[in-house]
Amino acid sequence: KQEVTQIPAALSVPEGENLVLNCSFTDSAIYNLQWFRQDPGKGLTSLLLIQSSQREQTSGRLNASLDKSSGRSTLYIAASQPGDSATYLCAVGGGSQGNLIFGKGTKLSVKP
Amino acid sequence: NAGVTQTPKFRILKIGQSMTLQCTQDMNHNYMYWYRQDPGMGLKLIYYSVGAGITDKGEVPNGYNVSRSTTEDFPLRLELAAPSQTSVYFCASSYPAGPNDEKLFFGSGTQLSVL
Repeated sequence: KQEVTQIPAALSVPEGENLVLNCSFTDSAIYNLQWFRQDPGKGLTSLLLIQSSQREQTSGRLNASLDKSSGRSTLYIAASQPGDSATYLCAVGGGSQGNLIFGKGTKLSVKP
Repeated sequence: NAGVTQTPKFRILKIGQSMTLQCTQDMNHNYMYWYRQDPGMGLKLIYYSVGAGITDKGEVPNGYNVSRSTTEDFPLRLELAAPSQTSVYFCASSYPAGPNDEKLFFGSGTQLSVL
């Protein structure tokens, strides 16, 4: 059974720092990996989707990498801003047709 | 473009009551999903639909029912509410394929408490 783990559960950094969020999964037979952002009281917003054949995806200050063989993904956030404060979730696709397996998330706080 | 809209945003139910969580999307997406998120946990799939008239169970379907009579709407029915159904419920959609290929678009959620 696929399990997704995100470490750390919470992270606090000063504004301007570059930071890395980690995601690991137990079964390397995945179709893709997605990173989401969740703001309090709001839904999830998809940030990046990496297909299993890809190694990384970039969007603005965000860069996500995927290493299927080691069961790991990282989300790199450059020059962090207070507006980046949110919970970041990773999820892998590869089970049944409709399912993503989610991690519990990393709660990021960027201090001004 | 409203995207995925969920109603209500908050609801308190008594044990044994029933209710329907509404979800509608205006993006003409064929795939729709219902997830629940318990505090401090990842999201778990309840039901999903690949198109009007087609639904299938996800990881945690017990105590819930769904229907998909139109492309736009995907209501989730709770019968005989139990405290274990206290959670935040999210509806999502994707096009033209499922989460193995496409990004998901989420609604803002319904926070449900069963007391």
